[in-house]
Amino acid sequence: EDQVTQSPEALRLQEGESSSLNCSYTVSGLRGLFWYRQDPGKGPEFLFTLYSAGEEKEKERLKATLTKKESFLHITAPKPEDSATYLCAVRENTGNQFYFGTGTSLTVIP
Amino acid sequence: DAGITQSPRHKVTETGTPVTLRCHQTENHRYMYWYRQDPGHGLRLIHYSYGVKDTDKGEVSDGYSVSRSKTEDFLLTLESATSSQTSVYFCAISGVSGVGTDTQYFGPGTRLTVL
Repeated sequence: EDQVTQSPEALRLQEGESSSLNCSYTVSGLRGLFWYRQDPGKGPEFLFTLYSAGEEKEKERLKATLTKKESFLHITAPKPEDSATYLCAVRENTGNQFYFGTGTSLTVIP
Repeated sequence: DAGITQSPRHKVTETGTPVTLRCHQTENHRYMYWYRQDPGHGLRLIHYSYGVKDTDKGEVSDGYSVSRSKTEDFLLTLESATSSQTSVYFCAISGVSGVGTDTQYFGPGTRLTVL
């Protein structure tokens, strides 16, 4: 059973067209939810950690939010340099494993 | 890359040969992890370490072993490589204590091809 599901798999936006990426999770007790950005041929780059429902974090054009069942990564007025794959991961209260989704591939067209 | 290096960055090997990948950190972080990334599967944990000589299995550990004799180095060994182990391998580290313990920082990856 997948603990983390990301949608959509791929998203194409015009420059300046705001949108949201979704990450839904099914772990029983959430210790933390993490967002990463991954560029082709590189390792994931850390963006945000969220710990409790209602929490929000912002960085430039990105804003991450968390509810009890899902997280959203909002992208406001994206630029072509925001094109990348965005990964979501969760860690349960018990154990040391992190579970990753398969990512959303974002393309921002000039 | 948060002071994490991986070597080699690319490797091509043949089925049945042993392969060792190295992860080196300069951050003095306690936790180190090995993941593999394959299309359609996302990142999957192979093994992790919570201290020198302290390791545990992840969800896809079959065919892999690890060792950590120093805080800064975490080795991943494929005893007898198979084509199913063709993948991109990432090392990650996480913090010493407190809130930052959970956040993982990743290395640049090693692309392994087993022919």
